[in-house]
Amino acid sequence: AQSVTQLGSHVSVSEGALVLLRCNYSSSVPPYLFWYVQYPNQGLQLLLKYTTGATLVKGINGFEAEFKKSETSFHLTKPSAHMSDAAEYFCAVSTNFGNEKLTFGTGTRLTIIP
Amino acid sequence: KAGVTQTPRYLIKTRGQQVTLSCSPISGHRSVSWYQQTPGQGLQFLFEYFSETQRNKGNFPGRFSGRQFSNSRSEMNVSTLELGDSALYLCASSQNPGQGHGYTFGSGTRLTVV
Repeated sequence: AQSVTQLGSHVSVSEGALVLLRCNYSSSVPPYLFWYVQYPNQGLQLLLKYTTGATLVKGINGFEAEFKKSETSFHLTKPSAHMSDAAEYFCAVSTNFGNEKLTFGTGTRLTIIP
Repeated sequence: KAGVTQTPRYLIKTRGQQVTLSCSPISGHRSVSWYQQTPGQGLQFLFEYFSETQRNKGNFPGRFSGRQFSNSRSEMNVSTLELGDSALYLCASSQNPGQGHGYTFGSGTRLTVV
């Protein structure tokens, strides 16, 4: 079974500052890892994903994440926060071993301070 | 390319009634999954269909059911509605999640049970 832990249910950063959202996963088999963003009253939008290959993954809107197997982490970063980044962010894990459902973390609400 | 379409967007039902939600996946996507999102429980997996077959099912009571048609469109049904069924129901489609293809989510159906 897989699980995801997102440290910090609320994160506030100043506009222009570094964004770091933490995600740790547990999986007994090689994982697929995803970050999604949700704006109010909307569905989930895929920011980026890791399946195989390069461990540093670049996504949309300037976000990137690094898969670190030894730390079982997949933290999301953005060098410079923008007001439009204010939203809720979800980390998720799935596998290719017959159980492809997404298991989500509890989410991190990102607030940008002007 | 059209995204994942969920109808209706909003729904108000009375306890004891039943409801059917609809999801049209992205053209060519054969996998359709359903998730329930609530403030208390977060995002929880309901079930996944692939080529009209249910492949995975989450831990929900039998009141929650679904199906997929030959054109990949999917419906989920909730019978004997309870107040706790109030939630945002999200549908996601994928070309083949077992191969690491991403999931694309619809905007959701917000169900309120009164």
